[in-house]
Amino acid sequence: EAGVAQSPRYKIIEKRQSVAFWCNPISGHATLYWYQQILGQGPKLLIQFQNNGVVDDSQLPKDRFSAERLKGVDSTLKIQPAKLEDSAVYLCASSLASVNTGELFFGEGSRLTVL
Amino acid sequence: DAKTTQPPSMDCAEGRAANLPCNHSTISGNEYVYWYRQIHSQGPQYIIHGLKNNETNEMASLIITEDRKSSTLILPHATLRDTAVYYCIVQRGTGFQKLVFGTGTRLLVSP
Repeated sequence: EAGVAQSPRYKIIEKRQSVAFWCNPISGHATLYWYQQILGQGPKLLIQFQNNGVVDDSQLPKDRFSAERLKGVDSTLKIQPAKLEDSAVYLCASSLASVNTGELFFGEGSRLTVL
Repeated sequence: DAKTTQPPSMDCAEGRAANLPCNHSTISGNEYVYWYRQIHSQGPQYIIHGLKNNETNEMASLIITEDRKSSTLILPHATLRDTAVYYCIVQRGTGFQKLVFGTGTRLLVSP
């Protein structure tokens, strides 16, 4: 079974530039998550989708971050304009169900460095 | 969701059992205990979860105290590949899943 696919694996940009990350979840998984992981910290949830609807985006900095999940499959996370503090690994995860004991499957992440 | 407390780091000799503790004294009745681990440069990986009873799978065992205020993840025969950060997470069993990660325990398995 193919896992969660993310791209690009690495990205280096200047501050104030824009960047986009792509995620393809495991086939059939209705729930998709984007997490931000700053060096030395645990992952922090940015946004959660159920199919193509947003369930929770309370920790998404909406002035610069946006995310969409068209057709309830792939998802894109965009940062515009980027700040130095956005340097982190952006992890995408998916799960089969949103209730009870659904296991989350994570991709390998996209590492962003903002200079 | 209940908060968890874990030691920041632990060491274990290869082949020995690794016992990773987690305190979750404010856990409520409908909250599960989940364990994930994160090997360097990879995304977190699910290990095991439980509600009240002890659980075992091919990766680990989970021991939950009777009052559910603490738990222990046991890796019975640790290998070098088990070196990782281990996260204990308490998550309610109903409603939308939202894992809230702390800083975890960094386990170093040495030869």
